[in-house]
Amino acid sequence: SQTIHQWPATLVQPVGSPLSLECTVEGTSNPNLYWYRQAAGRGLQLLFYSVGIGQISSEVPQNLSASRPQDRQFILSSKKLLLSDSGFYLCAWTGNNSPLHFGNGTRLTVT
Amino acid sequence: DAKTTQPTSMDCAEGRAANLPCNHSTISGNEYVYWYRQIHSQGPQYIIHGLKNNETNEMASLIITEDRKSSTLILPHATLRDTAVYYCIVRLPTDTGRRALTFGSGTRLQVQP
Repeated sequence: SQTIHQWPATLVQPVGSPLSLECTVEGTSNPNLYWYRQAAGRGLQLLFYSVGIGQISSEVPQNLSASRPQDRQFILSSKKLLLSDSGFYLCAWTGNNSPLHFGNGTRLTVT
Repeated sequence: DAKTTQPTSMDCAEGRAANLPCNHSTISGNEYVYWYRQIHSQGPQYIIHGLKNNETNEMASLIITEDRKSSTLILPHATLRDTAVYYCIVRLPTDTGRRALTFGSGTRLQVQP
């Protein structure tokens, strides 16, 4: 069966520091991969999605970037974090005709 | 995307069935109905989906009306751990990108002991 791993679960970083969140999927090939952000009490905001290795679509201009170095690996990065980058970051995957499945999320606090 | 409307909140007694309605009157012929839930501080969890026939799995049942303009998610024996926000969405199975998932405000289900 397919599983999605996302880490770390929580992260506290100072303003101006770099960020790297990693997400991997097991049990499937060529998944569509997604990064979402959820602010406290708010809905999900799509940040990036990828339909294949090296293919990244950005939904909103921001301080973040994404990369897909391998088929089942999706990385969310920032060179310099801002206070406004705090939030709950979720990785998700979907395959052909399959529902979207989410990881457990990373709660990022920028101080 | 077809829009969905759900009640803002519902209560249910522990052990009883929880019936969560969703209206999707503008759903197109090929769009499926999906249900997710989000327990506090966790990622959204997929529950069930269907096109026009009723569906059942180990978590819930999905009843879709014949005209497909509304559906009901049924949790047959609600427990305290079912307290969450439940989201109904409609989409094509092949949708990607922004169209893959658009949550509305959902229904906050509170299971009472």
